[in-house]
Amino acid sequence: EVQLLESGGGLVKPGGSMTLSCRTSGFTFTQAWMSWVRQAPGKGLQYLGRIKSNSDGGTAEYAGPVQGRFSISRDESQDTLFLHMNRVKTDDTGIYYCVYGYIFFSAWGQGTLVTVSS
Amino acid sequence: DIVMTQSPDSLAMSLGERATINCKSSQSVLYTSNNKDYLAWYQQKPGQPPQLLIYWASTRKTGVPDRFIGSGSGTDFTLTINDLQAEDVAVYYCQQGYSAPLTFGGGTRVEIK
Repeated sequence: EVQLLESGGGLVKPGGSMTLSCRTSGFTFTQAWMSWVRQAPGKGLQYLGRIKSNSDGGTAEYAGPVQGRFSISRDESQDTLFLHMNRVKTDDTGIYYCVYGYIFFSAWGQGTLVTVSS
Repeated sequence: DIVMTQSPDSLAMSLGERATINCKSSQSVLYTSNNKDYLAWYQQKPGQPPQLLIYWASTRKTGVPDRFIGSGSGTDFTLTINDLQAEDVAVYYCQQGYSAPLTFGGGTRVEIK
């Protein structure tokens, strides 16, 4: 069974940085293309970006609102996905989901809440 | 970016009735080389993460009840929920996987009348 466990959320000040982690199990992470999606409080789903497996180049791409501020990386020795968030804004507040999939999102973690506030 | 527009925003149906949700993309999500529509549907129950219901516009994920039916092609898609059950109360989202950035519809809330 695919399992995704996010961690690292919490309170961060505007302009600050935070890194989210996603520990994975139940599938071959080294072959998996992964994504991050977030959900602002009471709002819909917003795709943030995705990353290929290292064997497929390990390249990442991002949605416009986070391009240049967020980056996605992976540690295949630890089956872990990361989301590095820099220069955060109050609009970045929300639940951040680690997602298994690159075109369609077939499994989701429970999410971790990030609150950007002074 | 491809804009996904869902309608209605919400609907309230009685148990056993049929619910119909529409999703329209600002450009075709049909990839002609493989004749596949890059369109998925998700269900998000209160307090839970979304779950994939349907992909390639009409293929149900394993374990999804057959009362959930996806249809459509190109730019117009429909999710039909037959014989609405209490456990179907949720927000439903469509999503295109045709081109980056991937985008979601705004969601349709389904409630029991």
